[in-house]
Amino acid sequence: GESVGLHLPTLSVQEGDNSIINCAYSNSASDYFIWYKQESGKGPQFIIDIRSNMDKRQGQRVTVLLNKTVKHLSLQIAATQPGDSAVYFCAEGGPTDKLIFGTGTRLQVFP
Amino acid sequence: NAGVTQTPKFQVLKTGQSMTLQCAQDMNHNSMYWYRQDPGMGLRLIYYSASEGTTDKGEVPNGYNVSRLNKREFSLRLESAAPSQTSVYFCASLISRVQANTEAFFGQGTRLTVV
Repeated sequence: GESVGLHLPTLSVQEGDNSIINCAYSNSASDYFIWYKQESGKGPQFIIDIRSNMDKRQGQRVTVLLNKTVKHLSLQIAATQPGDSAVYFCAEGGPTDKLIFGTGTRLQVFP
Repeated sequence: NAGVTQTPKFQVLKTGQSMTLQCAQDMNHNSMYWYRQDPGMGLRLIYYSASEGTTDKGEVPNGYNVSRLNKREFSLRLESAAPSQTSVYFCASLISRVQANTEAFFGQGTRLTVV
């Protein structure tokens, strides 16, 4: 079957290092942002979200940073593990619940 | 609790044939979505429904129609399939942005090939 993330930008990191995945969004009216993880052959899975009235939110091993001035979002994964290998998407949502996905980044973790 | 269920999982159509993709969620979510994902690419929004009885176009609505049959079900119809519609289709649901949790749940996808 086809591979998720075949034509997407790739970030390669060593196991145990921290990963930073970036995303630029387009709509100034978006008021919430979500990071998803997608493994090959599966649907996207929720990782973490952040509202536009925040600039940082932390979860388990993940941190999302939001810079509304430059419309930029990042996902930081601490102590990256082989199981983190996947394609990561950011998504932006607005007042009408329209949810638009960004391009995506493929994360490869090597030993 | 099944979450979001899509049917069928696989489908092959001939050009010009029609079909309906079914999606149902059992989480009492208000918003539902249909996306397509071409091989090696991101997800593009086809249509969405923010509440029962309403539907709105997304980024790539041409060639598709949708029906929000009730709060649980949101179907996607291809009236005359074209090879350009070969893709993996994902349905998703979200409780609503006004709630504290914006987590959207996805189905496992329908792999559609149009020959």
